Amino acid sequence: QKEVEQNSGPLSVPEGAIASLNCTYSDRGSQSFFWYRQYSGKSPELIMSIYSNGDKEDGRFTAQLNKASQYVSLLIRDSQPSDSATYLCAVVGNAGNMLTFGGGTRLMVKP
Amino acid sequence: DAEITQSPRHKITETGRQVTLACHQTWNHNNMFWYRQDLGHGLRLIHYSYGVQDTNKGEVSDGYSVSRSNTEDLPLTLESAASSQTSVYFCASSTAIRREQFFGPGTRLTVL
Repeated sequence: QKEVEQNSGPLSVPEGAIASLNCTYSDRGSQSFFWYRQYSGKSPELIMSIYSNGDKEDGRFTAQLNKASQYVSLLIRDSQPSDSATYLCAVVGNAGNMLTFGGGTRLMVKP
Repeated sequence: DAEITQSPRHKITETGRQVTLACHQTWNHNNMFWYRQDLGHGLRLIHYSYGVQDTNKGEVSDGYSVSRSNTEDLPLTLESAASSQTSVYFCASSTAIRREQFFGPGTRLTVL
């Protein structure tokens, strides 16, 4: 079983809709959670970080964390074609500063 | 502006050659990391460093080495390049306290 799991997609949503991306993790002691966006041929770009249970909003992005259920999600409101990318979930476990990445979910926003 | 750079951006080499990929950051971050990214495997950690003279093996360290002689640089060396090391390599850095990592632009390495 992978430590951090994501549906590979592609997840296709129409422009203006809400895109919902999900991630589950196996290390119950994980403390820090991140979402990265990666455009094709580019490097991962940090877009959200979340450390405590609940929601964290930043512009059109909302990260949601539920430690009891061991999942973290990313909502993108008013999706735009420019949001089309692969979204990587990353988790820092109980020890150290190392990120474990999920395989990523490819999002396609259609005009 | 502070940044993290990698060089070269593209490299083609032959099996058995030694190759060194450079990573340089100007954020004064203590922590530096090397990853490789392959289709079907995602991002995998190769080596990491928490400070000068500190290096640690990651998930896929065989065939790779790093050294950290200053805060800014963490070069990655492939001792004897193999075709299985054809990949995109990313360097990243973070502070000692916060765990958010920031990535360089990547190096695409092809081993023929």
